[in-house]
Amino acid sequence: DAKTTQPPSMDCAEGRAANLPCNHSTISGNEYVYWYRQIHSQGPQYIIHGLKNNETNEMASLIITEDRKSSTLILPHATLRDTAVYYCIVRVERSNTGKLIFGQGTTLQVKP
Amino acid sequence: DAGITQSPRYKITETGRQVTLMCHQTWSHSYMFWYRQDLGHGLRLIYYSAAADITDKGEVPDGYVVSRSKTENFPLTLESATRSQTSVYFCASTLAGGPGEQYFGPGTRLTVT
Repeated sequence: DAKTTQPPSMDCAEGRAANLPCNHSTISGNEYVYWYRQIHSQGPQYIIHGLKNNETNEMASLIITEDRKSSTLILPHATLRDTAVYYCIVRVERSNTGKLIFGQGTTLQVKP
Repeated sequence: DAGITQSPRYKITETGRQVTLMCHQTWSHSYMFWYRQDLGHGLRLIYYSAAADITDKGEVPDGYVVSRSKTENFPLTLESATRSQTSVYFCASTLAGGPGEQYFGPGTRLTVT
């Protein structure tokens, strides 16, 4: 699985959009980009994933660059409850193991 | 309620003792995983299982034993606990091959004294 690089921390004002970047320059053609988050002391929570098209769900939007070497997770209207560590993970969609390799992630602090 | 549960949520044990952490899921997911999370290391995969009676090592398997006699249960055993195994342990599950969504349990905080 390709390696990802994320900034260690970011701040965002409550009510504003939070844009979390992720670099994955060695991503392969069959690898998807996944985002999870972990709110303090809880188990990680799936947010969204995509291959090359932009994706949106009720939680967030995922923007993947045309060359697929980077992506951005967008929380459109951040709230204090979105304060968490956000993990960007790259892996094959239907691997024979299903396992995820977590990096250090980005700690997002949403401030009032 | 349906979902993935872990027990106990908190455990204190002594060095050298055997301790088993339980994980139970109600979705009949084929894949189950055990992770540990330590400050400065993030989440690391210990063991995973693709189906009942099929298990394999992850990144940090030493000192741990797993079994999976039933699809819904995936216990993790520390045969002789050491202080370095003090950690928060998370269990997770996903469908066969995974559509990407792993569902995580609430975690077990284990302290080895």
